[in-house]
Order: sequence, then structure tokens, then C-alpha cells
Amino acid sequence: QVQLQQWGAGLLKPSETLSLTCAVYGGSFSGYYWSWIRQPPGKGLEWIGEINHSGSTNYNPSLKSRVTISVDTSKNQFSLKLSSVTAADTAVYYCARERIVVVVAATHNWFDPWGQGTLVTVSS
Amino acid sequence: EIVLTQSPATLSLSPGERATLSCRASQSVSSYLAWYQQKPGQAPRLLIYDASNRATGIPARFSGSGSGTDFTLTISSLEPEDFAVYYCQQRFTFGQGTRLEIK
Repeated sequence: QVQLQQWGAGLLKPSETLSLTCAVYGGSFSGYYWSWIRQPPGKGLEWIGEINHSGSTNYNPSLKSRVTISVDTSKNQFSLKLSSVTAADTAVYYCARERIVVVVAATHNWFDPWGQGTLVTVSS
Repeated sequence: EIVLTQSPATLSLSPGERATLSCRASQSVSSYLAWYQQKPGQAPRLLIYDASNRATGIPARFSGSGSGTDFTLTISSLEPEDFAVYYCQQRFTFGQGTRLEIK
């Protein structure tokens, strides 16, 4: 059974860079996309971006200028960096495996499983 | 960009009752919609994918239906552990959630 375990700094100052890593245990790393999703306190879910085992990425346009997602296939890990953080970036950050199915010209996806989440607080 | 609108925002029911949650897409998404359950302090858990397929280990009381723009998540008989927030998702967009609370 696939499990995702994530870690990273939980308290940042404005303008610093958020850095989180997610390790994948118990399953195949290739053949999937791997995503980061965040949730501000008391709010809904926002997709940040994705990467596959080859390093192909796709980012949320609203965050694209500040986001970098990378992969280390030797360790079955992927990482998130978000630069120039502000208080608006305070959220619980989740990593998740993304299952993608392409049917003719349509692509559909879902996220399963998820990591345990990391609360990142940005405060001076 | 597709917008997902969930209703109601909050649903108050008692254990044993039937719950019906709605998710409406701003344009057709065929049957490509997923549902998640999130309990306080926990990560979301996949319940349903492709509108009507239960994920592994999800009890049969959870069912999904719909296609095009209108989708429904039904919980046939609420158990105490079902009171949570539910989200729908299509591609990289999530609905705003429905909070299912104990009446």
C-alpha cells in the first residue's frame, strides 16, 4: 500500500522560500504524477502543481512564477519550493499521488493517497 | 477555467438519515469528477472517482452519480464517522466544500 510522508520547515518569515519534501513508500514511483495541494486555515483546497518521474512539470498559473517542483527518483521523493512567501501562503500543504487517465482527447484525474500534511505559517 | 459549485454549504442531518450533496460544474466535464471526505486535522480521502466509482475500501453506503454539469454524492444511511467536509474535484479545480454536521 502506497504511503506518502512529507516534511519541511513549518515557520517562515515573509520573503523566505518554503521548502517541503514528500517521500513515497510501498509502491511504484514511475507511471504517476505527483502533486502538491494546499489549504489555508478554514478554507478550501488549492492545487499548486505536479511532476512525473521524468521531471515533467505543470503549475497553477496563479503561483507559477514562484513555484518549483523537483523529483529525485533515486529516493522516490519529490519536493516543493515556493519563493517570496507572504502571510497569504500560510496553509497546510499536502503532497498527493495523482492518477491520470487519458481517454481519446480527454484527460481526467484524481488524487489518492495524500500525505499527512504540513502546516506552514508565514509570520514576521 | 471550470468552476465547481457545491451545495448546500452546510447540511445538518442525524445518524441513519440519507445525505445528498451536490456539485455543479460551470461547463460539461463528462463523467470526470471525484469526491473527497476530509475530517478535522486529517488529509482529504478519495471516496469516488469518475463520478460513480468507489475508491478502494470505501463503504457501499457512499455512491456517486451524474454526468455533464450536475453531480451528486449520496450517503445512504449516515454513520457517526461520516460527519465531515466533502469536496468535489475536476482536473485541478476543487469545489468550496459541503460541511455535513450532526443535527
